[in-house]
Amino acid sequence: QQPVQSPQAVILREGEDAVINCSSSKALYSVHWYRQKHGEAPVFLMILLKGGEQKGHEKISASFNEKKQQSSLYLTASQLSYSGTYFCGTEWRGTGNQFYFGTGTSLTVIP
Amino acid sequence: DTAVSQTPKYLVTQMGNDKSIKCEQNLGHDTMYWYKQDSKKFLKIMFSYNNKELIINETVPNRFSPKSPDKAHLNLHINSLELGDSAVYFCASSKLGAGRGYGYTFGSGTRLTVV
Repeated sequence: QQPVQSPQAVILREGEDAVINCSSSKALYSVHWYRQKHGEAPVFLMILLKGGEQKGHEKISASFNEKKQQSSLYLTASQLSYSGTYFCGTEWRGTGNQFYFGTGTSLTVIP
Repeated sequence: DTAVSQTPKYLVTQMGNDKSIKCEQNLGHDTMYWYKQDSKKFLKIMFSYNNKELIINETVPNRFSPKSPDKAHLNLHINSLELGDSAVYFCASSKLGAGRGYGYTFGSGTRLTVV
């Protein structure tokens, strides 16, 4: 039920790019992305509702491939403040309000 | 400040005790949730209320009982606490259900430690 994220963990130097993937075993209605810094609550980044939709938030953007039941989060020119655990969240078609968070990806940006 | 506020932030208690966590949101959201985050950081839905009505009740021991006196408040009462209940509990809210175009706003979390 829980969407699977990859990679589980990634370490970047400032200025490098990263991609985090989120895969579901079921057809998706929507995908959310959240970031959780250490010791804090998850913070909503963006939601994608339509297949093929891409959205941006500062230098962080995401895409949603409905056919592949996947979403990807793109972080470009990473900054130290991007460090944290990133979660996708997926809602499945035809399941009412069933919503599950992904397995999480730990991202560490070093100077 | 508009927010989801959760109390207490830390809770240390002995096995067998009963404890409550309170949550309030002033965002005007219709739906509130309780999530449990374990040591591996998995966020697991426990309960969801929409306008005081329970709409999601995942497989959670019946020692856990949510209560929503109104749509701005959702409390969690836990009876006979066990070591395995140690985790961070997050309250969250959203306008309508998640996925209907609205994201979640989380409270700051309650770190529960059962000794």
